[in-house]
Amino acid sequence: LAKTTQPISMDSYEGQEVNITCSHNNIATNDYITWYQQFPSQGPRFIIQGYKTKVTNEVASLFIPADRKSSTLSLPRVSLSDTAVYYCLVVDTGGFKTIFGAGTRLFVKA
Amino acid sequence: GAGVSQSPSNKVTEKGKDVELRCDPISGHTALYWYRQRLGQGLEFLIYFQGNSAPDKSGLPSDRFSAERTGESVSTLTIQRTQQEDSAVYLCASSLRVFDEQYFGPGTRLTVT
Repeated sequence: LAKTTQPISMDSYEGQEVNITCSHNNIATNDYITWYQQFPSQGPRFIIQGYKTKVTNEVASLFIPADRKSSTLSLPRVSLSDTAVYYCLVVDTGGFKTIFGAGTRLFVKA
Repeated sequence: GAGVSQSPSNKVTEKGKDVELRCDPISGHTALYWYRQRLGQGLEFLIYFQGNSAPDKSGLPSDRFSAERTGESVSTLTIQRTQQEDSAVYLCASSLRVFDEQYFGPGTRLTVT
């Protein structure tokens, strides 16, 4: 199972771009990368998912280099409401287990 | 449409008692997942169902934990002889298919006294 490593916390200011990098050195060929956002007292919410290169949706972009040993979630122009915990996880399609790490606590300041 | 619902929202029980936690997934979702989240920590994967079948139960913390799903719908997570270390929020999620985006419920906060 690919274990993920993320920074424990990050601070940012409103309007800035935030990049959160996740390491997953042991990712397997068929695994893919997913990011979730969690607010206090709520279940996680899906942000974005990808296998390689770049994926973009209306809320974020996901950059995955060719070796797929890491991935970067990019949040453009964050606001106070983006303060949350962000989880990177690798979905093991071989046996199916989703491993959530400790996540990155993003704190956006005014 | 309706999202994933869980009941009860809060459960306080005495050590040694059995508890049942219920999850109602989104209608039509074939995959269902259970996670545990201790205070201030990440999510711990427990088990998933594809239809009514749980292909891998190795994520369950001990033999006191069991789960079942019926009618490709409701799932129940049962914890027997609860211990204080079982205190956590138990989250359920469902997805259209196994590897799709997961939709989470609000969780059940279990407190074992």
